[in-house]
Amino acid sequence: QVHLVQSGAEVKKPGSSVRVSCKASGGTFSNSSIAWVRQAPGQGLEWMGGIIPIFDTPHYAQRFQGRLTIIADEATSTAYMELNTLRSDDTAVYYCAGVRFGELLRENWFDPWGPGTQVTVSS
Amino acid sequence: DIQMTQSPSSLSASVGDRVTITCRASQSINNFLNWYRKKPGKAPELLIYSTSTLQSGVPPRFSGSGSGTDFTLTISSLQPEDFATYFCQQTFSSPLFTFGPGTKVDIK
Repeated sequence: QVHLVQSGAEVKKPGSSVRVSCKASGGTFSNSSIAWVRQAPGQGLEWMGGIIPIFDTPHYAQRFQGRLTIIADEATSTAYMELNTLRSDDTAVYYCAGVRFGELLRENWFDPWGPGTQVTVSS
Repeated sequence: DIQMTQSPSSLSASVGDRVTITCRASQSINNFLNWYRKKPGKAPELLIYSTSTLQSGVPPRFSGSGSGTDFTLTISSLQPEDFATYFCQQTFSSPLFTFGPGTKVDIK
């Protein structure tokens, strides 16, 4: 069974960038899809973007366009999320999750989930 | 963009209670609707996908129903580990996804 292992907590200055990794353990990333979701303090879950191989390019939520990059390295079964121009309101726990498919293309669900990476943006 | 709402935003209940949470989409999403449970400090857990399919290993006290724009998550007999926040998620607009704002279930 695949488990997702994420990189450790980060503390960043406003305006800088952060890169969070997500490695599949006990399985591979081949033809796998990954989503990134964050939860800011006291807030709900927010889908940020993801990679689904059947589509040619990563997809990003509108509010992160131009600031977010998601890549997947199948050779190392590792996905990366890089968020640029950090602001204080980017302080959150960032989760990666596997995207699973049913019989229909839109029949998706997120499982498993990584344990989360705390990113704190503070001057 | 498809917007998701949930009601109530929070509720208080006791162990053994039957709990119902509603999720509404701003347009029809067929049955492309999932439910997750989120405990503080833990990663979200998938409970139900495609409106009513129970994820492997999830207790049968959880059930889901609905179609189109209105969906329901029911917990038939609330257990101590169910005090958490519940989120719905639409995948109709895949590969773009949206979560609902969440419903917090706490102890009465």
